[in-house]
Amino acid sequence: KNEVEQSPQNLTAQEGEFITINCSYSVGISALHWLQQHPGGGIVSLFMLSSGKKKHGRLIATINIQEKHSSLHITASHPRDSAVYICAVRRETSGSRLTFGEGTQLTVNP
Amino acid sequence: EPEVTQTPSHQVTQMGQEVILRCVPISNHLYFYWYRQILGQKVEFLVSFYNNEISEKSEIFDDQFSVERPDGSNFTLKIRSTKLEDSAMYFCASSEWSGGNTIYFGEGSWLTVV
Repeated sequence: KNEVEQSPQNLTAQEGEFITINCSYSVGISALHWLQQHPGGGIVSLFMLSSGKKKHGRLIATINIQEKHSSLHITASHPRDSAVYICAVRRETSGSRLTFGEGTQLTVNP
Repeated sequence: EPEVTQTPSHQVTQMGQEVILRCVPISNHLYFYWYRQILGQKVEFLVSFYNNEISEKSEIFDDQFSVERPDGSNFTLKIRSTKLEDSAMYFCASSEWSGGNTIYFGEGSWLTVV
């Protein structure tokens, strides 16, 4: 079983819809990252969370440490949000390395 | 905004050849990383580097791999004798400090071993 599980694997939405991507992990962590991978392959860091909630523009990320679960929300989705969204965790016991989930392919249609 | 730069963006090499992938991390960052992503798979950690030495490495990072910071700005990944299964996108990343800091990734270097 993967230490980091994301759902759904694939998500198709209409422009303007509210999007939720979920991440569950099975290990103790010191931080959780949400990342965006563009079609060309480049990876951009969106959020780094260790507790609570963060917001940046139309993106909101939440984490529940007790339940080992995080969500990434996109409000008023737009076709330019189409990308792979990846959850990655820094384990308490593993120094600085990140352990990645499989990613969620999001497609937003106009 | 500062960025991590990687070269080459794409390299094709013969099996058994040595390959060096180069990275210029963000200038005030102290922690450097290499990750790889085989096509269709998730991103995997290879190695982290701090204070001119490896701080952590994965089981993937065997004797065929090495890292170096030759001149205080570049950070390189060398694969000594490439195998077909080394074909992947290799990402360099850097962060200001460890333990829960934002990590910045380069655009990646596509390595194709034929």
